[in-house]
Amino acid sequence: NAGVTQTPKFQVLKTGQSMTLQCAQDMNHNSMYWYRQDPGMGLRLIYYSASEGTTDKGEVPNGYNVSRLNKREFSLRLESAAPSQTSVYFCASNNKQVRGNQPQHFGDGTRLSIL
Amino acid sequence: DAKTTQPNSMESNEEEPVHLPCNHSTISGTDYIHWYRQLPSQGPEYVIHGLTSNVNNRMASLAIAEDRKSSTLILHRATLRDAAVYYCILNSYSGAGSYQLTFGKGTKLSVIP
Repeated sequence: NAGVTQTPKFQVLKTGQSMTLQCAQDMNHNSMYWYRQDPGMGLRLIYYSASEGTTDKGEVPNGYNVSRLNKREFSLRLESAAPSQTSVYFCASNNKQVRGNQPQHFGDGTRLSIL
Repeated sequence: DAKTTQPNSMESNEEEPVHLPCNHSTISGTDYIHWYRQLPSQGPEYVIHGLTSNVNNRMASLAIAEDRKSSTLILHRATLRDAAVYYCILNSYSGAGSYQLTFGKGTKLSVIP
């Protein structure tokens, strides 16, 4: 029972390099999310996908792109990494919400450092 | 966006109850109150949620004020494993059939052996 799986767990990039963070869930959830967490802060939403085939911007989308590859997988891409994107990235998923009562399930995160 | 206010930090002795407060004075009638916790170097973990009535599960209890402008997460018997940052969040409708969690800084709970 894996839940939400994120790869890689750690990554170091140089400024300007590109990178794709992978996320997969095995709970047949409709919605998936990408967050970033900077030191001492709460999580901030980057992008989300309410259902397969749709994606929408969250609070901090600049510098990122996403792809909802299928119902299970939701990837986050950094086209040209910048030091300001050094952070811990979390993927989450939940069932389709009718009234906001579906909890999100989170992965263990990807720790990304950009030099 | 609806916001919540929590104390930055709290301490509890091991094996004693812990009451973690949260104010959400601008809550709308359809906002669910969610609580998550985050242990060091891990992703957030769902704890409990509710709308109007008090809720209990194996992890905790959630007491919601009658006017819904505040709530309290109750850990009945704190253990060292409960040391974490606890987030009180309103799961708010963001349009097009979507709901979003907006995380604040949460309350850092320390448990003293």
